[in-house]
Amino acid sequence: EAQVTQNPRYLITVTGKKLTVTCSQNMNHEYMSWYRQDPGLGLRQIYYSMNVEVTDKGDVPEGYKVSRKEKRNFPLILESPSPNQTSLYFCASSSGRGGTGELFFGEGSRLTVL
Amino acid sequence: SQQGEEDPQALSIQEGENATMNCSYKTSINNLQWYRQNSGRGLVHLILIRSNEREKHSGRLRVTLDTSKKSSSLLITASRAADTASYFCATVHYNTDKLIFGTGTRLQVFP
Repeated sequence: EAQVTQNPRYLITVTGKKLTVTCSQNMNHEYMSWYRQDPGLGLRQIYYSMNVEVTDKGDVPEGYKVSRKEKRNFPLILESPSPNQTSLYFCASSSGRGGTGELFFGEGSRLTVL
Repeated sequence: SQQGEEDPQALSIQEGENATMNCSYKTSINNLQWYRQNSGRGLVHLILIRSNEREKHSGRLRVTLDTSKKSSSLLITASRAADTASYFCATVHYNTDKLIFGTGTRLQVFP
């Protein structure tokens, strides 16, 4: 089954404790992206990747890091989480370049930073 | 930002009625997409309409695009309780491949 898998789905952590949210897709997509969703603000892009070893900032990259060492994986790293990073995070992938095709989303990772 | 803005923000209807949601955007686009999100779940792609298209259908969904008015509409006909969800439009700017989402319309369909 074609899917984008994120882990963990739920996480409560404390300020400053490094964490990684993993994302994996099994569709051989070149494009992958991370979004955060906050009430009233819609989905905002954090980082995206056009292919292996190619990553770029989205609209709200501050406080986040990503890597793309393999085509299927695109982890999101919060080196020193802060309460304003409490949000619902989505990973997505596409066979098209960025928005030229359908985006497939993971089920989301709800992060709370205390 | 050319973020799309959906209207209305919330819509409540009875089963069997039609639901219409609108999306306006600010700059020229390559395409416009509609997504659906059940509460707290991942978004699901519904339909993509290119800038040179005016109307597309998919099952009970009809999407129109008016590039002169920079607007699109999503019509769900004969709505069902299972259609209850948030619906987002997303636009791709003409000179980029970046997809930017609006803030969504929350649709509630009562049985």
